[in-house]
Amino acid sequence: KAGVTQTPRYLIKTRGQQVTLSCSPISGHRSVSWYQQTPGQGLQFLFEYFSETQRNKGNFPGRFSGRQFSNSRSEMNVSTLELGDSALYLCASSATGGSGNTIYFGEGSWLTVV
Amino acid sequence: DQQVKQNSPSLSVQEGRISILNCDYTNSMFDYFLWYKKYPAEGPTFLISISSIKDKNEDGRFTVFLNKSAKHLSLHIVPSQPGDSAVYFCAAARDTGGFKTIFGAGTRLFVKA
Repeated sequence: KAGVTQTPRYLIKTRGQQVTLSCSPISGHRSVSWYQQTPGQGLQFLFEYFSETQRNKGNFPGRFSGRQFSNSRSEMNVSTLELGDSALYLCASSATGGSGNTIYFGEGSWLTVV
Repeated sequence: DQQVKQNSPSLSVQEGRISILNCDYTNSMFDYFLWYKKYPAEGPTFLISISSIKDKNEDGRFTVFLNKSAKHLSLHIVPSQPGDSAVYFCAAARDTGGFKTIFGAGTRLFVKA
């Protein structure tokens, strides 16, 4: 079955703009989580959605938001972009999101803010 | 607050030898641990996992060991191959009624031919 699909793969934005990233989870998976990866920082948890509800949230400012649709697809939005937001944004899906559920990642969306 | 720590940013190993990647965690509530492998410009791929009720899980050349009393886990790769060269992330999870997987900063493994 198809894996986690993220679009766009690469994008360049200028400071102050906003960006929306999209994620389609593995078919049948209902939990979608988002991570930010920057050099030397590992994978920082942004938030997790299940059945269109945000269940968990990481320590990111309110400029970072997300949502999930009834088909489990998810979007992540970053408003008022800052240079420090340049990173690889990864989406991951799992069946139910409970412990013991392995999460599977997409290829990521590379965001560069100039 | 780093709940999952990978203290070695890089590791270099000769082909055919054993690679041992280490990970420490601080939260005793974690009950599921995973290792992911990541190549440049790709998303992380799941490698192997272990539940807190076990102390060892093996899958081919990959074995994960869990020492709950020490809050330590390790990934052993035997024998190491050049294709194993990648960044390895350790991760820990607990069911909070939601799902939150915490990742370490990663260890870059170089396997020399």
